[in-house]
Amino acid sequence: NAGVMQNPRHLVRRRGQEARLRCSPMKGHSHVYWYRQLPEEGLKFMVYLQKENIIDESGMPKERFSAEFPKEGPSILRIQQVVRGDSAAYFCASSPGQGAGNTIYFGEGSWLTVV
Amino acid sequence: DQQVKQNSPSLSVQEGRISILNCDYTNSMFDYFLWYKKYPAEGPTFLISISSIKDKNEDGRFTVFLNKSAKHLSLHIVPSQPGDSAVYFCAASPSHFGNEKLTFGTGTRLTIIP
Repeated sequence: NAGVMQNPRHLVRRRGQEARLRCSPMKGHSHVYWYRQLPEEGLKFMVYLQKENIIDESGMPKERFSAEFPKEGPSILRIQQVVRGDSAAYFCASSPGQGAGNTIYFGEGSWLTVV
Repeated sequence: DQQVKQNSPSLSVQEGRISILNCDYTNSMFDYFLWYKKYPAEGPTFLISISSIKDKNEDGRFTVFLNKSAKHLSLHIVPSQPGDSAVYFCAASPSHFGNEKLTFGTGTRLTIIP
């Protein structure tokens, strides 16, 4: 899927633990997006980040969820004190930035299971 | 509030025939529309897009049609091939360039019958 790298691909956490999902955008891409797909649903936007900046976090739950895209290193989606309802596929996507033709490309996804 | 709707959860089409997937939207602020294809346990793969200033965009076997007045778009695949069997998501963006927040439909599972 166009070089967006996500890890881990699968993660199992017990209720109350923390989950950290990492995303390295495609080379040359400075914009990162996180989406979540619950079972039998479409993808839902969570957050849009550029390096060191959160541009739009309107889809992020108010508590327990945070995201960052530091100057160096991958973007991290962090879920604290996970609950069963957090079990989902989390997809990262990247784009070169705004401008015609700068389509968003998705990674393979990270599947979180909370037991 | 489902702003992008794909009312057919599944569709079966004979190999070689045309597959038509439909999508409706309610938000007039959407300016750019995309189709993604998804296999199980993989991320969505970009297929084709269309800006609101156009009514048709073609790329090989894939054509997307946009009817702004009806707030409706469709994806045509012709001829359909077995490898086209996947879930297809329609997505919409308020950005003219399609690279801001995407709102996805719930998907249509396309099965191509050999």
